[in-house]
Amino acid sequence: LAKTTQPISMDSYEGQEVNITCSHNNIATNDYITWYQQFPSQGPRFIIQGYKTKVTNEVASLFIPADRKSSTLSLPRVSLSDTAVYYCLVGVAPNDYKLSFGAGTTVTVRA
Amino acid sequence: NAGVTQTPKFRVLKTGQSMTLLCAQDMNHEYMYWYRQDPGMGLRLIHYSVGEGTTAKGEVPDGYNVSRLKKQNFLLGLESAAPSQTSVYFCASSYMDRESNTEAFFGQGTRLTVV
Repeated sequence: LAKTTQPISMDSYEGQEVNITCSHNNIATNDYITWYQQFPSQGPRFIIQGYKTKVTNEVASLFIPADRKSSTLSLPRVSLSDTAVYYCLVGVAPNDYKLSFGAGTTVTVRA
Repeated sequence: NAGVTQTPKFRVLKTGQSMTLLCAQDMNHEYMYWYRQDPGMGLRLIHYSVGEGTTAKGEVPDGYNVSRLKKQNFLLGLESAAPSQTSVYFCASSYMDRESNTEAFFGQGTRLTVV
């Protein structure tokens, strides 16, 4: 997987928008960008995946600029229950079967 | 549809003992993974499998062995447990569709303590 860099932690308040940027300068042409969310004492769960431009689902939006060397996960109007660790992964099978997680970004939402 | 099920959920071992963690998935996924997560840390890949009968080393394979005799099961073995292997272990399975979309599904974790 292409190496990724994301902030270690971010703080926010309820109702605010949280944007987490992930850098992946060595992203390959066929690589997808995927974000996972992990709550304490649980396994990670898939949030969103994209290849270019913008992807939106019921949980988040993913913004990918034209050069694809970074991506931004946007969580609209966060609540206390959005406190979690968020992981950015870049890569895709069949060229790279490893699913390697970095340290992630710990997002803490306060009342 | 149970998804990914890990057995057991908790275990306490004495140093030097052996044990096997079982991961079972009912989604017919080709790829399966074992991770460990230490307190305050991210997930580290131990071993993974791209199909029945195949396994490969991840980032931290030492002290662990795996087997994938059946597509739905991925076993993680500790031959001689050490306190450094105290951790939470997660299993995951994933697929890739024709559009190269992929998603991993995780089990609920196994909390292992080696004393």
